[in-house]
Amino acid sequence: AQSVTQPDIHITVSEGASLELRCNYSYGATPYLFWYVQSPGQGLQLLLKYFSGDTLVQGIKGFEAEFKRSQSSFNLRKPSVHWSDAAEYFCAVGANSNSGYALNFGKGTSLLVTP
Amino acid sequence: DADVTQTPRNRITKTGKRIMLECSQTKGHDRMYWYRQDPGLGLRLIYYSFDVKDINKGEISDGYSVSRQAQAKFSLSLESAIPNQTALYFCATSDWTGNEQFFGPGTRLTVL
Repeated sequence: AQSVTQPDIHITVSEGASLELRCNYSYGATPYLFWYVQSPGQGLQLLLKYFSGDTLVQGIKGFEAEFKRSQSSFNLRKPSVHWSDAAEYFCAVGANSNSGYALNFGKGTSLLVTP
Repeated sequence: DADVTQTPRNRITKTGKRIMLECSQTKGHDRMYWYRQDPGLGLRLIYYSFDVKDINKGEISDGYSVSRQAQAKFSLSLESAIPNQTALYFCATSDWTGNEQFFGPGTRLTVL
């Protein structure tokens, strides 16, 4: 069965510092990988996704993620964090099956940005 | 206007009451999903529907039922609410490829 692990429950970074959020997945084939962001009191917004091709994907708000098959990882990065990036971040893996498609989410990483 | 709307946004109810959460979408998508979010647990899939006649159980369907009244509407019901169903509930939609899911703003349900 597919699964997603986000090892860091909370991360604190200073504004302007770089950010890396970790995501590891377990899946037999090449998965579809996603990063979503949830701002306080809001729904989830897609930051970026990987299906195939170039393993470094660019997303919205200056985020990028790199798919590393050998490490079963899809880590999210941003070179310079802004205070507005404080939110909860979810990694998700999806796969088509005979009956369809649904996402399996990690438990999330809560990002705090300090001045 | 939002593409995926959920009503109500907040609801407080008592144990044993029947509750319905509604989801509507204007994206024209065939696929709709209901998730539940609990602190520290991420989102877990309750039910999903690939069209009006195709409804499937997700990871945690016990205690819930759904109705797909039309392509644009997907309702989640708690027939007899219990306190451990207190959570944030999200509806989502996707097209037939499932390449991206679009989420509603969520419904915060509290069962006393």
